[in-house]
Amino acid sequence: AQSVTQLDSQVPVFEEAPVELRCNYSSSVSVYLFWYVQYPNQGLQLLLKYLSGSTLVKGINGFEAEFNKSQTSFHLRKPSVHISDTAEYFCAVSETGANNLFFGTGTRLTVIP
Amino acid sequence: NAGVMQNPRHLVRRRGQEARLRCSPMKGHSHVYWYRQLPEEGLKFMVYLQKENIIDESGMPKERFSAEFPKEGPSILRIQQVVRGDSAAYFCASSPRQGTSEETQYFGPGTRLLVL
Repeated sequence: AQSVTQLDSQVPVFEEAPVELRCNYSSSVSVYLFWYVQYPNQGLQLLLKYLSGSTLVKGINGFEAEFNKSQTSFHLRKPSVHISDTAEYFCAVSETGANNLFFGTGTRLTVIP
Repeated sequence: NAGVMQNPRHLVRRRGQEARLRCSPMKGHSHVYWYRQLPEEGLKFMVYLQKENIIDESGMPKERFSAEFPKEGPSILRIQQVVRGDSAAYFCASSPRQGTSEETQYFGPGTRLLVL
């Protein structure tokens, strides 16, 4: 069985400061990893995904994430946040070849002016 | 290219009524997924459909819930005899090709169901 843990339910950060949103997963098989962002009253939008290859994945809006197999983590980072980054961020995992995603409970990022 | 569309965006039902949630996938997408998000929880997979076929319904409750994706028209998630515990946000996603997670799933804005 798979599970995803996002330990931080809320993360406040000042504008232009760096941010890291943590994600840990558990799975007994190979996985794909995803980060989605949800702006208020909108659907989830894919930020980035790891399928294979380089463990450092770059996504949209200046975000990146690093897959760490030994620590079963896929933390999301951005060196300098903007007000517009205020949103809910979801980490998700899927078994390779499976057709559904397992989501964490989300982290609400609030960027403070 | 319009994104995934869901309607209604908000739905209020009394206990015992039926709820019908509609999802129109992105143009050219023939794979649809439904997820449910209960308060303070992450999204949980319910069902995966291709046109006229249910491929994986392992996340669907055994009773009262059903889904379809007809040859023409939107995908429908139907909840019969709703109870308060059905109150949640229901998200639909679509993908263009094979239904494995290599393919990006594009999500709609969700339907917020409130059962009184």
